[in-house]
Amino acid sequence: AQTVTQSQPEMSVQEAETVTLSCTYDTSESDYYLFWYKQPPSRQMILVIRQEAYKQQNATENRFSVNFQKAAKSFSLKISDSQLGDAAMYFCAQRPFNNAGNMLTFGGGTRLMVKP
Amino acid sequence: DTEVTQTPKHLVMGMTNKKSLKCEQHMGHRAMYWYKQKAKKPPELMFVYSYEKLSINESVPSRFSPECPNSSLLNLHLHALQPEDSALYLCASSHSFDRAGELFFGEGSRLTVL
Repeated sequence: AQTVTQSQPEMSVQEAETVTLSCTYDTSESDYYLFWYKQPPSRQMILVIRQEAYKQQNATENRFSVNFQKAAKSFSLKISDSQLGDAAMYFCAQRPFNNAGNMLTFGGGTRLMVKP
Repeated sequence: DTEVTQTPKHLVMGMTNKKSLKCEQHMGHRAMYWYKQKAKKPPELMFVYSYEKLSINESVPSRFSPECPNSSLLNLHLHALQPEDSALYLCASSHSFDRAGELFFGEGSRLTVL
């Protein structure tokens, strides 16, 4: 079974500064994918970034990057130059590589507030 | 077009009513999903359709009845719901059944059961 834990229910950051959201997971699978999804107050959830566990290089997408520590089963999200539009719920998620049904296991979420 | 469109955005119904939630996508995706999301909680998977066939039913009560009339449409029929079924219902789609987690979500239908 897979579990995903986000230990920070809420975080806040000053606009233009950097913030890191934590995520740890547990799995017995050797190959898997990890994701960060963003759900703004308008509710539409969007994929922010994806990491394949077999890749050692950390994924980056513009201002978003991850720190993937496979041995520690840690997958944190760093947001640089935070903007007001980054305010949202952020969900860490995982799925095994060979997984029919695209079934994601979500963490409990972290609410990020951005202060102007 | 990279949108998943859900209607209605808000729905209030009594426990004896019958209503339906609708979801539409025109991205050519062949897998579609229903999720239920309670406030401040992550989404919970309810159903998965792949190529218009029900592939996964996560032990959802029969008062929720999904339907996939064609590859672009997904419905969720509601009947005899309970107040605890009040939640945000999210529809999502993906390129295929096993494409790695690239889900596209709609904005959701906010359901209140009185």
